[in-house]
Amino acid sequence: DVKVTQSSRYLVKRTGEKVFLECVQDMDHENMFWYRQDPGLGLRLIYFSYDVKMKEKGDIPEGYSVSREKKERFSLILESASTNQTSMYLCASKTSGNEQFFGPGTRLTVL
Amino acid sequence: AQSVTQLDSQVPVFEEAPVELRCNYSSSVSVYLFWYVQYPNQGLQLLLKYLSGSTLVKGINGFEAEFNKSQTSFHLRKPSVHISDTAEYFCAVSGPNTGNQFYFGTGTSLTVIP
Repeated sequence: DVKVTQSSRYLVKRTGEKVFLECVQDMDHENMFWYRQDPGLGLRLIYFSYDVKMKEKGDIPEGYSVSREKKERFSLILESASTNQTSMYLCASKTSGNEQFFGPGTRLTVL
Repeated sequence: AQSVTQLDSQVPVFEEAPVELRCNYSSSVSVYLFWYVQYPNQGLQLLLKYLSGSTLVKGINGFEAEFNKSQTSFHLRKPSVHISDTAEYFCAVSGPNTGNQFYFGTGTSLTVIP
């Protein structure tokens, strides 16, 4: 069965901290994505990766970076967390058949 | 870039009544269309997708959607809803011209009333 896992379901951090959100997929997909989800705004793409060590900016990359050292793992990094980055973060990977599979999400609160 | 409009942010409906959740997208070029469902505190799960072929697409849990190219719409329907259908529903667009990107609507919160 297809599986995308995220390292934490809930996370609380302080302003200025460096935050790592991890995502792992077991489907050998080349494409992986990070979104943030906010009420009334839907899902907005932060970054995506189409291969190991390759990345592309999405619609809202400011304040974020990513790392893809291995095919199965895609990390989202908040270099210096701010309160406006409090959100739900969703990771996804994509099949060649254009279907995205989502992880359960990480609800991040920055105090 | 593509844009996706879900006109209704909240839809309350009585149990066993029919429901339609509306979705319109911006581009008339070749597109792939998706509906996802999100239950509380969970990630998104694919309900159905249109890639090509028949414009009427059937998905899981009794949902179906119709691709209407002339109206650039992909409305989601179910003839009789259950309490368990209460969730957030997202329409999404992708396609050969969007690279690998998916564009999501802002979501429709469906509440089924007993």
